[in-house]
Amino acid sequence: ILNVEQSPQSLHVQEGDSTNFTCSFPSSNFYALHWYRWETAKSPEALFVMTLNGDEKKKGRISATLNTKEGYSYLYIKGSQPEDSATYLCALLEFQGAQKLVFGQGTRLTINP
Amino acid sequence: GAVVSQHPSWVICKSGTSVKIECRSLDFQATTMFWYRQFPKQSLMLMATSNEGSKATYEQGVEKDKFLINHASLTLSTLTVTSAHPEDSSFYICSAQGVGPYEQYFGPGTRLTVT
Repeated sequence: ILNVEQSPQSLHVQEGDSTNFTCSFPSSNFYALHWYRWETAKSPEALFVMTLNGDEKKKGRISATLNTKEGYSYLYIKGSQPEDSATYLCALLEFQGAQKLVFGQGTRLTINP
Repeated sequence: GAVVSQHPSWVICKSGTSVKIECRSLDFQATTMFWYRQFPKQSLMLMATSNEGSKATYEQGVEKDKFLINHASLTLSTLTVTSAHPEDSSFYICSAQGVGPYEQYFGPGTRLTVT
């Protein structure tokens, strides 16, 4: 059974500060890693899909890196804003006959004004 | 684009009754949809993969007779929790596979409480 770990579980950051958190996963048989942002009462929103070792993706103030050899991905938020408050999920894509996402527990980010 | 809706967003039912949850892709067709469950302080866990026009594939440990899945059209999958018990109380969320190989679009989820 694949185990996807996210740390920290929760994080409080002052508005304007930058922050980052981690997703760890088994490095064998890697296909893709997803990052989602999930606000309360809304649908999880896809941020990035990362497939190649060394991948670096950016969307506004949010960026992510991927190291498939050592099995981790970092999500960075630069200059945090209150609207960044959400739970950030990472999910490893595995194929067992069909596509399957294995999620971490998420990092709950709160931005203090 | 790529919007997935779920209905209802929350439901309370009595033990022994059945509850149906709908998952719709609003602006695209999805041959494959997924159903996940999340218990408090735990991660989203895949319950089953739903394929249009064929039987769903259930993950190990998920009772297919209890969680009936129907994917009768390219835009609708339903999950019916039969003879619900308090331990079935959970957050259920669906997703629909998009056109790209790695795309999954999620609904907002359904909170089920069984009393």
